[in-house]
Amino acid sequence: GAGVSQSPRYKVAKRGQDVALRCDPISGHVSLFWYQQALGQGPEFLTYFQNEAQLDKSGLPSDRFFAERPEGSVSTLKIQRTQQEDSAVYLCASTLTVGAGTQYFGPGTRLLVL
Amino acid sequence: EDQVTQSPEALRLQEGESSSLNCSYTVSGLRGLFWYRQDPGKGPEFLFTLYSAGEEKEKERLKATLTKKESFLHITAPKPEDSATYLCAVQAVSETGNQFYFGTGTSLTVIP
Repeated sequence: GAGVSQSPRYKVAKRGQDVALRCDPISGHVSLFWYQQALGQGPEFLTYFQNEAQLDKSGLPSDRFFAERPEGSVSTLKIQRTQQEDSAVYLCASTLTVGAGTQYFGPGTRLLVL
Repeated sequence: EDQVTQSPEALRLQEGESSSLNCSYTVSGLRGLFWYRQDPGKGPEFLFTLYSAGEEKEKERLKATLTKKESFLHITAPKPEDSATYLCAVQAVSETGNQFYFGTGTSLTVIP
């Protein structure tokens, strides 16, 4: 595609519900990143994939957060038993090659947990 | 501890009033420093990459510079459409080679 797309753009969940956020990176991009951005803050790293391999998940805040990229393209970030503190914008970014620094971001998914 | 600090947090400029945004960083092994622009409700949009001290990049009214400890984003004669949050990020050496740290951003408002 022309750019990184994310869906849904907005998600309202009741506390305790599970949610799944989808990211479609730019076609052919090897690396994919997930970030969490709280209001008024910069993006905070969650996890990183190189093709289908999850090489770094050090930023995932708890074991309720799980990410996958089974075929090395589309990725899903799943949050189980959502809590109010999970409310944030979740950004996905991709880069063309391994080690490339220029990240192309999607528009984000705004998650609100009530 | 690797970190990125941006200042000021917010900046209001009159149209045509030039200024600079600062990004200071402490990382163990800098692979690159990046500037992004983020408009409300959108993802960050790439502006510049800088790799070594002394490097400069320009694009329209924006110019980015890099030293060993900080980077500046200079805005010359800004226009209202330059209003946005400007984010700085550093790529640090890590086992995976892809560890990125973002600052909290500078919110720029340019008044007509």
